[in-house]
Amino acid sequence: EAGVVQSPRYKIIEKKQPVAFWCNPISGHNTLYWYRQNLGQGPELLIRYENEEAVDDSQLPKDRFSAERLKGVDSTLKIQPAELGDSAVYLCASSLGDRGYEQYFGPGTRLTVT
Amino acid sequence: DAKTTQPPSMDCAEGRAANLPCNHSTISGNEYVYWYRQIHSQGPQYIIHGLKNNETNEMASLIITEDRKSSTLILPHATLRDTAVYYCILRSSNTGKLIFGQGTTLQVKP
Repeated sequence: EAGVVQSPRYKIIEKKQPVAFWCNPISGHNTLYWYRQNLGQGPELLIRYENEEAVDDSQLPKDRFSAERLKGVDSTLKIQPAELGDSAVYLCASSLGDRGYEQYFGPGTRLTVT
Repeated sequence: DAKTTQPPSMDCAEGRAANLPCNHSTISGNEYVYWYRQIHSQGPQYIIHGLKNNETNEMASLIITEDRKSSTLILPHATLRDTAVYYCILRSSNTGKLIFGQGTTLQVKP
């Protein structure tokens, strides 16, 4: 069974540029998460989707971050414009549901903003 | 905020049991203890979880004290591939959220 797929794996951009990350969850998983992981820290939830609906985006900095999950499958996380402090690993995870199910994580996208 | 306390790092000899402690003195009745690990340059991987009773699977064992204020993850025969950051997480059955702390970096040495 294929795991959670993310692309790109690495991205280097200059500040003020836009950037987008793509995630393909495990087939059949209705719940999709985006996390951000700063160096030396644990992952922090940015947004959670149930199918195509964003049900928890309280931690998403909405001034520059946006996300979408069209058709309830793939998802894209965008930052525009990027700031130096956005340098981090962006992780996508999926699960069958939100409560009581394990979350399966992708390998992440390492973003470096210069 | 994370409600667990873990030592920042531990060493273990290859082939020996690795015992990773976690304190969660403010755990609520509806919170499960979850363990994930993160190998370098990979996403976190689920290991095991429990509510009250001890649990065992093919990867590890989880021992939860009777008062549920602390737990221990046991890797029975650690290998070099078990070198990773191990996260102990309290997960509410109401919200389902995983709130990661800083975890314990386990170094398995030959």
